[in-house]
Parts: sequence; structure tokens; C-alpha cells
Amino acid sequence: SQTIHQWPATLVQPVGSPLSLECTVEGTSNPNLYWYRQAAGRGLQLLFYSVGIGQISSEVPQNLSASRPQDRQFILSSKKLLLSDSGFYLCAWSPHYNSPLHFGNGTRLTVT
Amino acid sequence: DAKTTQPNSMESNEEEPVHLPCNHSTISGTDYIHWYRQLPSQGPEYVIHGLTSNVNNRMASLAIAEDRKSSTLILHRATLRDAAVYYCILRGSGSGGYQKVTFGTGTKLQVIP
Repeated sequence: SQTIHQWPATLVQPVGSPLSLECTVEGTSNPNLYWYRQAAGRGLQLLFYSVGIGQISSEVPQNLSASRPQDRQFILSSKKLLLSDSGFYLCAWSPHYNSPLHFGNGTRLTVT
Repeated sequence: DAKTTQPNSMESNEEEPVHLPCNHSTISGTDYIHWYRQLPSQGPEYVIHGLTSNVNNRMASLAIAEDRKSSTLILHRATLRDAAVYYCILRGSGSGGYQKVTFGTGTKLQVIP
């Protein structure tokens, strides 16, 4: 069966520090991959999605970037965190273009 | 992009049916209607999806209007574990592409014991 792993579960980082969040999917190949962010009490904001290795689409201009170095690995990064980067970051995958999304357990990031 | 509109919150008594509405008046013919739910501090969980016909699964039923401009998620017997935020989203070429999956703020369902 397919599983998605996302870590760490919680993270506290100072302003100006770098960020790297990793997401991996097991049990499938060539998944569609997504990064979302959820501010406290708000809906989900799509940040990036990827349909294949090295193919990244960005939805919102921001202080973040994403990479997909391997088929089932999706990384969210920042060179210098801002206070506004705080939030709940969720990785998700789907087998193909119209199948349901499956989410990881998320990373709660607090930038201090 | 086609958008969805949901009430911010709803209440239901435990063990009673719940009907969660969603309006999507600008839906295109190729857009699928998906429903997810999110428990506190967890990632969203897929519930059900459909295109034109009503759909049933072990979690819920999805009733789609004939003109497809609205849909209703039906929980047949609400339990306390169903208290969550429910998201109705559209996925398809009329919603910015199948890959661009956007969520609104959803409906927060409170289940009263």
C-alpha cells in the first residue's frame, strides 16, 4: 500500500534561518506531489505542485521554493525564513490527474 | 478558476443525518467534485468524489444536482468523530487544470452529543 511520510512534525526556527521540509511517498511511482500551507484558522493555500522529477509549478510568489530531486521525494525550502512563513505545512500526493489527494500529517512551523 | 461556496459552520446532533451543502455555479463539464475533511492538527482526509451521478461509499454519500451547480455531502448518522472541517473542491480542466487543486475555507461541522 502507498504511504506518505512528512517530517519533522514540529519545528521552531528563528527569523532569517534556512528551512528544509521533506516529504516522501512509498508504494507508487510518478505521483503528482503537492505542498500546501495552512495559517491558523484558515484554509489550505496551494504553494507548489509537481507532475514529475524536476517539474515544479509555483502558485504563490513567496519566500519559499520546492524541488523534486527523486521521483517520490518533494522538498520545501527557504533560504531565510520570515515571521509570515509560520504555519502548518502539508504535503500531498495523488496517483494521477484526477484521483484523490492523500495528505501527510503535516509540519507545524513556528518562526520566532 | 471555478470556485466553491460553503457555509462557514454547521451543527448537528449526534446520530442524526447531516447534509453539508456546496455551491459551484461556475463548474465546467470536466470538473469533478471532491470532498475532504480535516480533523484538528491533521492533514485533510479524502471522503468522496463524483462527476454527475450520486455516489456512495462507506464514509458518506454525495448528491449532485442535475445541473451540477451544487452538491451535498451526506453523513447518514453523525458521530462525535465526524466533527471536522469539510472541504468541497473542484478538480478538472475548468478549475485551472487537474494538477492545480485549491481548497477554500470549508464548513466546520460541530456534532452535539
